[in-house]
This record gives sequence, C-alpha cells and structure tokens, in this order.
Amino acid sequence: GQNIDQPTEMTATEGAIVQINCTYQTSGFNGLFWYQQHAGEAPTFLSYNVLDGLEEKGRFSSFLSRSKGYSYLLLKELQMKDSASYLCAVTDSNYQLIWGAGTKLIIKP
Amino acid sequence: GAVVSQHPSRVICKSGTSVKIECRSLDFQATTMFWYRQFPKQSLMLMATSNEGSKATYEQGVEKDKFLINHASLTLSTLTVTSAHPEDSSFYICSARVGQVDVGPQHFGDGTRLSIL
Repeated sequence: GQNIDQPTEMTATEGAIVQINCTYQTSGFNGLFWYQQHAGEAPTFLSYNVLDGLEEKGRFSSFLSRSKGYSYLLLKELQMKDSASYLCAVTDSNYQLIWGAGTKLIIKP
Repeated sequence: GAVVSQHPSRVICKSGTSVKIECRSLDFQATTMFWYRQFPKQSLMLMATSNEGSKATYEQGVEKDKFLINHASLTLSTLTVTSAHPEDSSFYICSARVGQVDVGPQHFGDGTRLSIL
C-alpha cells in the first residue's frame, strides 16, 4: 500500500530552527510537496521537490532523497505565526497525490 | 498567480437542504480540479477529481449521487451536497492545478465550512 509518515506533533521555540521529517512508500514518484495549513484554513503551497537535494525559499527549505524515500522541511528563525500543521504529499506514478496526516507545529515564546 | 476562489466560505442550513459550492480558478485555466473534505483534527480526504467536460472521478466510499460535481468550464467547478444531513457537516476544500500538467502543485481555495443543523 501507499504510505506517508510524518510526526503527529512537534514543539519548538520562537527564533529557533525546526526540521519536520517525512518518509514515504508509494508506487512510483513524481514529486513531493509541502503545504502549510493554519487551523480552520485551507492549505497553502510551500515547496515542491522532484530531484534530490535542497530547495531553499526564504526561511523555509525542503530536502529530498528519492533513494531513501525521505524528505524534510526546515524552518528557520521561527515566528509565532509559523504555528500550523505542515502536510507532506507525494505524487505517485499515476499522478495521484498521496497526503500525509500532517505535523502540528507548536511554537512557544 | 494561481489564485483559486471558493464560495461560499460558510454555510449553515437545515437538514435536507441541498448546498452548492463553487470553485473558480481566477487567473489560470484548470482542466482538473479536486474536491476534498476535512473533519476536525483529521487529514485531508480526497472526495473526487473534477474533469472539465467529462464526468468526475469519485474516490471509493464517496456517493456520487449525493455529492454532485459539475465542471462545465476551464475555470469553474461546482460541488452540490444534495439533501445534506448533520453527518455531512465538514470543511470542504477545492483545489486546482495550472493547465493540463499532471505534476506541479495544487492551489487551494479558502474552503467552505458546512454546518447542517
């Protein structure tokens, strides 16, 4: 079966760095996405990785290793507004988007 | 760019009412749109894939006669929840991909919070 694993919840301190991991087992691979979802709101697109390596976008970076079926989202200089759920999603060989359950990130002052 | 507009944002209605939700791509054409449902503290669940000019593809367990989807143009898809009941109360979210490319991010509307009394 197809599966995406990410931690249920993480806590970090304002100003610090946090890394949210995502591992996947899917039938084929056509890209990995990270989305941010604040409580009661729809997801917003953060990043897209299709090749191995690190993609940096401001305070957020996303890493992919296809051979390991692994990705992480790195958030630097954490702000209170970064408190949200972070969703990992993978497009499989049939171009179906498989969603992880999300990681709830709690930022403390 | 890639803005998706969803309307209405909130609906409260009596049991048995049919509710129509619109999803529009404002600055791009979307051959394919997606309809999701999300219950509190749960992950997104894909309900159906809406294809312009053809029938929608429903996920297993989703009743196509209850959740009617129409994708009449490249910028508009609608979801109608027919004869809604309290158990249909949920957060409904649409998304769309730019153009006809199967890869690339989905861009989400703001969602519709449906409450059936």
